[in-house]
Amino acid sequence: DAGITQSPRHKVTETGTPVTLRCHQTENHRYMYWYRQDPGHGLRLIHYSYGVKDTDKGEVSDGYSVSRSKTEDFLLTLESATSSQTSVYFCAITRAGSSYNEQFFGPGTRLTVL
Amino acid sequence: AQSVTQLDSQVPVFEEAPVELRCNYSSSVSVYLFWYVQYPNQGLQLLLKYLSGSTLVESINGFEAEFNKSQTSFHLRKPSVHISDTAEYFCAVSDDGNQFYFGTGTSLTVIP
Repeated sequence: DAGITQSPRHKVTETGTPVTLRCHQTENHRYMYWYRQDPGHGLRLIHYSYGVKDTDKGEVSDGYSVSRSKTEDFLLTLESATSSQTSVYFCAITRAGSSYNEQFFGPGTRLTVL
Repeated sequence: AQSVTQLDSQVPVFEEAPVELRCNYSSSVSVYLFWYVQYPNQGLQLLLKYLSGSTLVESINGFEAEFNKSQTSFHLRKPSVHISDTAEYFCAVSDDGNQFYFGTGTSLTVIP
């Protein structure tokens, strides 16, 4: 357990509405990530952060923005949700080990866009 | 960027039978390799990892994976599966320890 929580855990929203998902970690890890998981696609990286206010795009960043104003929180925003953004969203952190880094995942947020 | 291929999207197997889940990655440069397991309605949990050294790595619940550099593979095996092994399994690779690339997953179903 790497002390990662996600909120909300479930959300149903309508097309065109803004949505913000929150990832919170308690262990002061530098790297944080947002993935989406869809059948047949596995996990795809949306955005990641390597420090406060330092973020970069992943493989499927269109339609998403992120913010990290403090180390423990990484927010994912869908400015105008679309049905194609219905998915399960996972937050992850990278924990630095003595010789390697390891990713730990949060419990996920199931988002349905009607 | 790396790419990870898990050729088998679904693998049904009878209880107590052996299983192999295949994983191939794109680059032969130095990499870290991982297998994650996801039980229904849960997040991903690390099952095992290869960093360096012995090419055969084991998990605490009987799974093992072998790193084959020449074939760029990291197949996951278990000699005798249990019902509780039913889950989705993801192979992942990283070459810098900060960006991770995942396969599309293999759904393992153990049949009683």
